[in-house]
Amino acid sequence: QQQVKQSPQSLIVQKGGISIINCAYENTAFDYFPWYQQFPGKGPALLIAIRPDVSEKKEGRFTISFNKSAKQFSLHIMDSQPGDSATYFCAAIEGFGNEKLTFGTGTRLTIIP
Amino acid sequence: ETGVTQTPRHLVMGMTNKKSLKCEQHLGHNAMYWYKQSAKKPLELMFVYNFKEQTENNSVPSRFSPECPNSSHLFLHLHTLQPEDSALYLCASSQVQGNYGYTFGSGTRLTVV
Repeated sequence: QQQVKQSPQSLIVQKGGISIINCAYENTAFDYFPWYQQFPGKGPALLIAIRPDVSEKKEGRFTISFNKSAKQFSLHIMDSQPGDSATYFCAAIEGFGNEKLTFGTGTRLTIIP
Repeated sequence: ETGVTQTPRHLVMGMTNKKSLKCEQHLGHNAMYWYKQSAKKPLELMFVYNFKEQTENNSVPSRFSPECPNSSHLFLHLHTLQPEDSALYLCASSQVQGNYGYTFGSGTRLTVV
């Protein structure tokens, strides 16, 4: 049973456009939702994260939108650049001190000129 | 060197071989993890070590044997693997009861022939 569902599996966006990746979860005990960015040949790196007590968090061109009632959250990349081309993973973690991350299946993002 | 370092970066082994993957973290974290990353599948948690004690074994076959001699080093001993074990093996570390940030290594690309 996949606890965090991620879509789309792949995404192509024109340079300067908005990239949107969506995730949904079932476990209402999740209380921390990070996004990871992975470039080929590298491990995932923490990009941005949100807790369920806020509906939006913005860091530069990256924004997480969080809908607690719908149990959904999404990553928006504004003014997408070719350097943003990577695989993005949403994740969720349950409980303070419980460090086990549950990952989504990943989205391969390609930004075309 | 800073961060999480994994060696070797690439490994090809026969099904009867015995090999080990090594992970070292220089971040002062007290939890370390092994993840398996296969194509088109979510990142799979394999093992969790918390203050050098194994706290999670996610139903991993016994042909994978972890070792954590101290909080900075983590090994994954491999023996009699199967071709389906070919994957990217990622090590990560974090500070338990900290800020939930995982730091991943670049992984070992394992091919079983």
